[in-house]
Amino acid sequence: DGGITQSPKYLFRKEGQNVTLSCEQNLNHDAMYWYRQDPGQGLRLIYYSQIVNDFQKGDIAEGYSVSREKKESFPLTVTSAQKNPTAFYLCASSSLAGETGELFFGEGSRLTVL
Amino acid sequence: GQNIDQPTEMTATEGAIVQINCTYQTSGFNGLFWYQQHAGEAPTFLSYNVLDGLEEKGRFSSFLSRSKGYSYLLLKELQMKDSASYLCAVLDSNYQLIWGAGTKLIIKP
Repeated sequence: DGGITQSPKYLFRKEGQNVTLSCEQNLNHDAMYWYRQDPGQGLRLIYYSQIVNDFQKGDIAEGYSVSREKKESFPLTVTSAQKNPTAFYLCASSSLAGETGELFFGEGSRLTVL
Repeated sequence: GQNIDQPTEMTATEGAIVQINCTYQTSGFNGLFWYQQHAGEAPTFLSYNVLDGLEEKGRFSSFLSRSKGYSYLLLKELQMKDSASYLCAVLDSNYQLIWGAGTKLIIKP
């Protein structure tokens, strides 16, 4: 079945460590997105990509990095420079980059910094 | 700045009807989405409105008034499984999604 897969679902990290969250889709979607969700706040865009080997910063890109080497994959690295990384991270994809495309979400990755 | 407002929390009774409102102020408008999100899970798509009026889809309906910057999601014949957060999001002039903080809906027997 087509879908979008995130891993791991839960992740614990010590302060000062980088961590990479995986996101894979087999929907043949051009656009992929990373969002951060905190309690009481709307989804905030970290990075997005509309085409392979190209990506754009969202509203809260500081302390994060991404790559888009393959259409299917859009991993997110949370670096030690991110001051408050504990959050729920959602990856999404859509079929029409930059237009009215419904977003399909992965199940999310919950990162806790100890 | 861009802003989307929704009530933080609402409570309703099983079998009843509930209306969740969303007001927005954005730079341009290219459509409004409603998503449902159960606790700890990913959001799932409910509806998309780009023209004024009511869109009905089973027990759920969504209404849009562009002149008022206003939308609502109407849920009928409420079931316990409808307990979730409901997220309103607007596609702005740059085709970027602006998200509201979500409305937590609690259904009581």
